[in-house]
Amino acid sequence: QKEVEQDPGPLSVPEGAIVSLNCTYSNSAFQYFMWYRQYSRKGPELLMYTYSSGNKEDGRFTAQVDKSSKYISLFIRDSQPSDSATYLCAMSQGAQKLVFGQGTRLTINP
Amino acid sequence: GAGVSQTPSNKVTEKGKYVELRCDPISGHTALYWYRQSLGQGPEFLIYFQGTGAADDSGLPNDRFFAVRPEGSVSTLKIQRTERGDSAVYLCASSLNPALTDTQYFGPGTRLTVL
Repeated sequence: QKEVEQDPGPLSVPEGAIVSLNCTYSNSAFQYFMWYRQYSRKGPELLMYTYSSGNKEDGRFTAQVDKSSKYISLFIRDSQPSDSATYLCAMSQGAQKLVFGQGTRLTINP
Repeated sequence: GAGVSQTPSNKVTEKGKYVELRCDPISGHTALYWYRQSLGQGPEFLIYFQGTGAADDSGLPNDRFFAVRPEGSVSTLKIQRTERGDSAVYLCASSLNPALTDTQYFGPGTRLTVL
């Protein structure tokens, strides 16, 4: 069993919809939680970074962490075609090594 | 400013050959990381450098893989006796300092194909 599980999709939604992406994890030592966005043939870029349980909002993006359930989510409001990409969750337990989920491929249809 | 750059962008080689992949981190970044991303998967950690030394090489899959960063800037990932299973995108990332909260900035990757 992988330390981080993420549904690979693909996920296709109409423009303007609210998108919900999520990951589960098994290692309770993970303390830091990140969401990266990766466009085709590009490197991942950091979208959101959270430490504690709860919500963190940045524009149209909200990251949610529930450590008791070992579950993290990313919500995208008013989704745009430019949001079409692969979204990767990543976690760390205190060292620099990031453990990534498989990535969810998201398409926003105009 | 310039981001992380990786060369070559694509590398095709034959099984059994030796390859070198290069990473130029963002200027001034002391930490450098290598990850490997297979098709349809998330990146997997290979090795992390702090300065010139490898602080964590626990992700290197076997002794065919080796990485160096002799002057604390550019890094080279070396793969000996390549196998078809080594085909993947090799990503390099750098961060300003090794603090956990510091963002890792990724390069575009080198796409390695072993025939």
